[in-house]
Amino acid sequence: GAGVSQSPSNKVTEKGKDVELRCDPISGHTALYWYRQRLGQGLEFLIYFQGNSAPDKSGLPSDRFSAERTGESVSTLTIQRTQQEDSAVYLCASSSPRETLYEQYFGPGTRLTVT
Amino acid sequence: AQSVTQLGSHVSVSEGALVLLRCNYSSSVPPYLFWYVQYPNQGLQLLLKYTTGATLVKGINGFEAEFKKSETSFHLTKPSAHMSDAAEYFCAVSDWAAGNKLTFGGGTRVLVKP
Repeated sequence: GAGVSQSPSNKVTEKGKDVELRCDPISGHTALYWYRQRLGQGLEFLIYFQGNSAPDKSGLPSDRFSAERTGESVSTLTIQRTQQEDSAVYLCASSSPRETLYEQYFGPGTRLTVT
Repeated sequence: AQSVTQLGSHVSVSEGALVLLRCNYSSSVPPYLFWYVQYPNQGLQLLLKYTTGATLVKGINGFEAEFKKSETSFHLTKPSAHMSDAAEYFCAVSDWAAGNKLTFGGGTRVLVKP
C-alpha cells in the first residue's frame, strides 16, 4: 500500500513569510509525528498526534510553529514569519500500535529553505 | 529524559570489511531501540529494532545489533560492507511511556571504499 507522503518536496521561501507543510500518513495509522533535521545535525522531535489531539508539543521550537491534524488523516505543520534558522528537512512519520509495534514509517520529507 | 550518543559522525570502511557503528543510550524506562538508515535525498528506513526478548536483533541488508543493558549500548554491525551500504545511519530510542516519540543520535555517515 501507499506509504507516508509529504508535500511539497521542496519549498523555498523568503524570510518573514508563512509556510505550510503537509503530511499524509498511512491509512489507519492513529499516531503521527513531526521531526526536523537541520543540516549536519540529527533529527529533533517536534510534535506528536494521537488521532487529532496533540498530547506532546514539547519539541516545537517557538510559538511561530504550530500543527494540526484532521481526524486520523492529514496533518499540516505551519511556520509563521519564517527565519533562516528554520531551514531544514521536515520529516513526518506515522505508526499504528495495532500493527508493527512501535515502528514509525517515515515520509520522504520536505526540504525548506528560507532565504 | 532520554538521550542517544553515536560515536563518530563519519566512518570509512573498505568494501568487504566489517562495519561497526556505535550507539549508547540513556533512558529512565526500559528502552526500545532502533536503527534507521537514510540514503541521499530519501526518508528514513528502519533497519532493525529491539523491544523485548532476544538481545541480538537481525535486520535487513545483513545488519544486526546487540542490546547490552549493562553497557547501555546498541551497536550496529555488518560482517562485510557493500558499496550500497554508503548512507547515514541513525540510532534512536523510543519513549514508549510518552507516545513513542523517538530521540535520535547525531547520525553516522558511512563511506565505503572500493
